[in-house]
Amino acid sequence: DAGVTQSPTHLIKTRGQQVTLRCSPISGHKSVSWYQQVLGQGPQFIFQYYEKEERGRGNFPDRFSARQFPNYSSELNVNALLLGDSALYLCASSLAAANQPQHFGDGTRLSIL
Amino acid sequence: GESVGLHLPTLSVQEGDNSIINCAYSNSASDYFIWYKQESGKGPQFIIDIRSNMDKRQGQRVTVLLNKTVKHLSLQIAATQPGDSAVYFCAATNQGGKLIFGQGTELSVKP
Repeated sequence: DAGVTQSPTHLIKTRGQQVTLRCSPISGHKSVSWYQQVLGQGPQFIFQYYEKEERGRGNFPDRFSARQFPNYSSELNVNALLLGDSALYLCASSLAAANQPQHFGDGTRLSIL
Repeated sequence: GESVGLHLPTLSVQEGDNSIINCAYSNSASDYFIWYKQESGKGPQFIIDIRSNMDKRQGQRVTVLLNKTVKHLSLQIAATQPGDSAVYFCAATNQGGKLIFGQGTELSVKP
């Protein structure tokens, strides 16, 4: 069975640019969450979507936005990129919105020059 | 704000020994906890979870213990193998999908 898939795996952008990251959840999973992981730290929650509705938002600026499509896949958009946005962006899916194991993809490594 | 922390950033054990990784959380309302294993270049891999109405749960070679009184949980790995070498994270949530992660403990297994 396919796990959570993310694309692209690596991305290099320059300051001020915009980026879109994509995530396909495990088949049957209706909840998708996005996390940012900087080197040496644990993942930090950005967004959760469930049944195409935003269910939670972490402490990130409005430059970060996301959406979930009818097939439960999701996109994370980041505008006006800053050097500090360089990180591994992880997508996780789960069956339900709460108290269910979240299964992660291998992430998109975003580097800002 | 709420936080999740690990007691040791690194842990080195001999192959075949048991490993214990500890974690503390700050929010007494946390009701669901997960342990993840992350290998270099990969996303976190689910190991085991536990709900707040339990104090112990066992999987294959792993056991999670939850002490709600002192807001502490631990992951025990039996007969640690070289393939267990990775960074281990605990995460907690409070009736929602937002996982709060600790900083991680890097486990090294010496052959």
